[in-house]
Amino acid sequence: SQQGEEDPQALSIQEGENATMNCSYKTSINNLQWYRQNSGRGLVHLILIRSNEREKHSGRLRVTLDTSKKSSSLLITASRAADTASYFCATVNRGGSNYKLTFGKGTLLTVNP
Amino acid sequence: GAGVSQSPSNKVTEKGKDVELRCDPISGHTALYWYRQSLGQGLEFLIYFQGNSAPDKSGLPSDRFSAERTGGSVSTLTIQRTQQEDSAVYLCASSQDRANSPLHFGNGTRLTVT
Repeated sequence: SQQGEEDPQALSIQEGENATMNCSYKTSINNLQWYRQNSGRGLVHLILIRSNEREKHSGRLRVTLDTSKKSSSLLITASRAADTASYFCATVNRGGSNYKLTFGKGTLLTVNP
Repeated sequence: GAGVSQSPSNKVTEKGKDVELRCDPISGHTALYWYRQSLGQGLEFLIYFQGNSAPDKSGLPSDRFSAERTGGSVSTLTIQRTQQEDSAVYLCASSQDRANSPLHFGNGTRLTVT
């Protein structure tokens, strides 16, 4: 079953603009992670935010987490053509020792030069 | 260091044949995952090997799918009597199997069933 759901499904912006992608989930989580995928191949981990954190930064990436709304957002500032990729959120459920990650369907970001 | 390695990178097979997909995880990673991704879709969880514990097989779509992990390292995903709907990219990932450990993915095996 799908835990995370990204919104929008596709986003097209101009180079230099900011891109915001959202993720909603259903159950209580231990942490939420964002991944990037180029060309339908392997995913690359971008950033992890724990359930007790509200905001995290990494370079041009900013992630927020609102556990009361069960939602997260990924902001990419000053986007570049090289940021064109699919972005996925994934969650680890709270409790137990099963650390299985459940992924959403992703947002396809296109950054036009 | 070496990342997660998957082989073959591409596999074309005829409907009804069996296929084996291989994954070499990062050395020292105790957790190994298999996911399936159909064209333009998200990742569908298949199976999760967690150290010495029994694997979580809750995502395997049918009894035609099975996976093994030998010696806590290399894993093989086997699909018997392949069907056209099995066509997808099969992704393997490994991690240090802690709640806050990110997954490291291989580049996947693109399976096409004709």
